[in-house]
Amino acid sequence: EAGVVQSPRYKIIEKKQPVAFWCNPISGHNTLYWYLQNLGQGPELLIRYENEEAVDDSQLPKDRFSAERLKGVDSTLKIQPAELGDSAVYLCASSQQNTGELFFGEGSRLTVL
Amino acid sequence: DQQVKQNSPSLSVQEGRISILNCDYTNSMFDYFLWYKKYPAEGPTFLISISSIKDKNEDGRFTVFLNKSAKHLSLHIVPSQPGDSAVYFCAARPSGNTGKLIFGQGTTLQVKP
Repeated sequence: EAGVVQSPRYKIIEKKQPVAFWCNPISGHNTLYWYLQNLGQGPELLIRYENEEAVDDSQLPKDRFSAERLKGVDSTLKIQPAELGDSAVYLCASSQQNTGELFFGEGSRLTVL
Repeated sequence: DQQVKQNSPSLSVQEGRISILNCDYTNSMFDYFLWYKKYPAEGPTFLISISSIKDKNEDGRFTVFLNKSAKHLSLHIVPSQPGDSAVYFCAARPSGNTGKLIFGQGTTLQVKP
């Protein structure tokens, strides 16, 4: 069974540029998460989807961040414009409904110069 | 406000000895706790979990203990192996919210041969 797939693995951009991350969850997993992990910290939830509906986006900085999961499968997280403080690892995870265990992708490491 | 805390950033143990990783939480409304393991350049992977109605769960070399009165859980690894060297994250799930996990800052374990 394929795991959670994320791309790109690494991205370096200059500040004020846009960037997008893509995630393909495990087949059959209805719930998809985007987490942010700063250096030396644990992952922090940005947004959670149940199928195509964003059910928890309270931690998403909506002035510059956006996300979508149009058909309830793949998801895209966008930052526009990027700031220096956005440098971090963006983790995507998925789970079957009503389970506690999340399966994480390898993450997308963003460096903003 | 850090609801899940791992106060030890790092831990070093000798191969074959016991590793004990600690985690404290402040919210009594967590109903499920998990430990994740993370190798460099990889996403976190699920290790072991425990429901709030239990005080111990064991899986091979890994045992998680939960002390609800102290709001404290710990992960014991016996015997420790060099391959266990990784960052360990404690995570907690709020009651009634089956999706969201709140993570601690992580503890880096080094097992020396």
